[in-house]
Amino acid sequence: GAGVSQSPSNKVTEKGKDVELRCDPISGHTALYWYRQSLGQGLEFLIYFQGNSAPDKSGLPSDRFSAERTGGSVSTLTIQRTQQEDSAVYLCASSLLPGKGSEQYFGPGTRLTVT
Amino acid sequence: SQQGEEDPQALSIQEGENATMNCSYKTSINNLQWYRQNSGRGLVHLILIRSNEREKHSGRLRVTLDTSKKSSSLLITASRAADTASYFCATNQGAQKLVFGQGTRLTINP
Repeated sequence: GAGVSQSPSNKVTEKGKDVELRCDPISGHTALYWYRQSLGQGLEFLIYFQGNSAPDKSGLPSDRFSAERTGGSVSTLTIQRTQQEDSAVYLCASSLLPGKGSEQYFGPGTRLTVT
Repeated sequence: SQQGEEDPQALSIQEGENATMNCSYKTSINNLQWYRQNSGRGLVHLILIRSNEREKHSGRLRVTLDTSKKSSSLLITASRAADTASYFCATNQGAQKLVFGQGTRLTINP
């Protein structure tokens, strides 16, 4: 079946603009994660959704970042008033089961460049 | 801060040789996972080892876990050019999120 998809694959925006990044998880996967990867670095956790539970937002770096997941499927990560330090690859992942580190399936990522 | 730390940061070997990468972590874990990343984009899950396991094999991959030393190693045997990638360890500490290390950049020279 189809894997995790993300759009756009690349986004260039001017400093101060808002951006929306989209993630379509694998059908039937209950858990969805957003990570950020700066150039040459490891992945930084941003936010986690599980079913109808309140999301774990503990990784969001500032209140300019927000995310939602509609209908338990598609998720949108929104960055308001983008800054140059927001430039990174934003990766989405989903997993079938939420518990205790089930294997996560990653999308190809969105490369965000803030000029 | 990153939980897992890979060592070395970069590794370059000849095709056919074995590649060993290490990962250290700081707190108790439920499991440890290794992922591969090509060209800075999506990650591919390689193997998961649970905290009560000491060694696990998958094809040319061998993972060990030493919870007393809070460390893990990934061995790739008989390396191929296609193994060139970045390799990350990730730990799960009871919460749902994974905490990733900085990665090891592996280059296989033909």
